[in-house]
Amino acid sequence: AQTVTQSQPEMSVQEAETVTLSCTYVSSFCDYYLFWLKLPPSRQMILVIRQEAYKQQNATENRFSVNFQQAAKSFSLKISDSQLGDAAMYFCAYSWAGSQGNLIFGKGTKLSVKP
Amino acid sequence: GAGVSQSPRYKVAKRGQDVALRCDPISGHVSLFWYQQALGQGPEFLTYFQNEAQLDKSGLPSDRFFAERPEGSVSTLKIQRTQQEDSAVYLCASSLAPFGLRGPNNEQFFGPGTRLTVL
Repeated sequence: AQTVTQSQPEMSVQEAETVTLSCTYVSSFCDYYLFWLKLPPSRQMILVIRQEAYKQQNATENRFSVNFQQAAKSFSLKISDSQLGDAAMYFCAYSWAGSQGNLIFGKGTKLSVKP
Repeated sequence: GAGVSQSPRYKVAKRGQDVALRCDPISGHVSLFWYQQALGQGPEFLTYFQNEAQLDKSGLPSDRFFAERPEGSVSTLKIQRTQQEDSAVYLCASSLAPFGLRGPNNEQFFGPGTRLTVL
């Protein structure tokens, strides 16, 4: 079975600093996608960044970047120059490329940003 | 443009009552997903629709759960004879493409969720 593990229930970062959120996964497939999604206090989940397993290059989106280590089944999210608006619950998620797209989520990491 | 909307946002039910949760996906989106998020957990997949066809209901926890999307747009998740363990946030998501994630922009857009509390 495919699983996603986020071992950090809570993290904290000082505004303007950098923080890394960890995620590991189990996949019996070679073709899959990994995601980081953000659930802010307003409670509407949004996609932060997406990585396709067959692409070696790590995905980046402005201040957000990932470190995708396929052999280690690791997919961490780095947030640079943290802003107060980054405070949220962050979910790592997996989806097999041959599926209809349903996501398998980790339990989430609650990120606090200190001013 | 409007995003995915869900109603009601909050629902309190007495144990044994039936409830119906509504999802309005983004217009034109073919795929629709329902997820259940229990307290302190990540969302878990319940069911998937491609237009009006329910192609995957493997995540529905029991036969008390039923979902439909009769005209390929609005979807309703119905829970019969609610139990306390049904208390959760129910999330709906839609995406443009009919199948999976191949292609650059088949992102899932999530609604705000319905928080169901069963007393």
